[in-house]
Amino acid sequence: AQSVTQPDIHITVSEGASLELRCNYSYGATPYLFWYVQSPGQGLQLLLKYFSGDTLVQGIKGFEAEFKRSQSSFNLRKPSVHWSDAAEYFCAVGDRGGSNYKLTFGKGTLLTVNP
Amino acid sequence: DAMVIQNPRYQVTQFGKPVTLSCSQTLNHNVMYWYQQKSSQAPKLLFHYYDKDFNNEADTPDNFQSRRPNTSFCFLDIRSPGLGDAAMYLCATSRGLASDNEQFFGPGTRLTVL
Repeated sequence: AQSVTQPDIHITVSEGASLELRCNYSYGATPYLFWYVQSPGQGLQLLLKYFSGDTLVQGIKGFEAEFKRSQSSFNLRKPSVHWSDAAEYFCAVGDRGGSNYKLTFGKGTLLTVNP
Repeated sequence: DAMVIQNPRYQVTQFGKPVTLSCSQTLNHNVMYWYQQKSSQAPKLLFHYYDKDFNNEADTPDNFQSRRPNTSFCFLDIRSPGLGDAAMYLCATSRGLASDNEQFFGPGTRLTVL
């Protein structure tokens, strides 16, 4: 069964600092990969996704993620964090196989941004 | 703007009192999902509809039911809420069923059980 690990439960950065959120997955092949953001009291918003091709993926709000097959990782990065980026971030994997529709989410990383 | 709408945003119910949560979409998507998200946890899929076809996850308690009267609306019914059912309930939609179809989430309904 596929699984997703987000090793960092909570990260605090200063506004303007760079950010990297880690995500590792366990899957037999290359899954579909997603990053979602959830602001307090809100639903999930898709930041970016990787299906194939270029392993560096650009998303919304200045985020990017890099797929590294050798490390089974899909880490999320942002060069300069804004206070409005404070939220919870979820990495998710989707099965490429047939009609399997399920997304498996990691437990999330809560990002706090200090002024 | 096309979107996924959930009502109410906050719902308080009493232990054992049936409650219904509502989701509507203007995206005309075929698939609608219900997730349960407890505090500091990942969203957990309860069930989904592909058009009128209902698919219940194996570990979803019988206490949770769903209805989809038309393409636009989907309801989550909790027949006898327990304290452990207090959570955020997220509705999502997608055009198709395969996992490469982006899921669009509503803002969620926060359920409190007294």
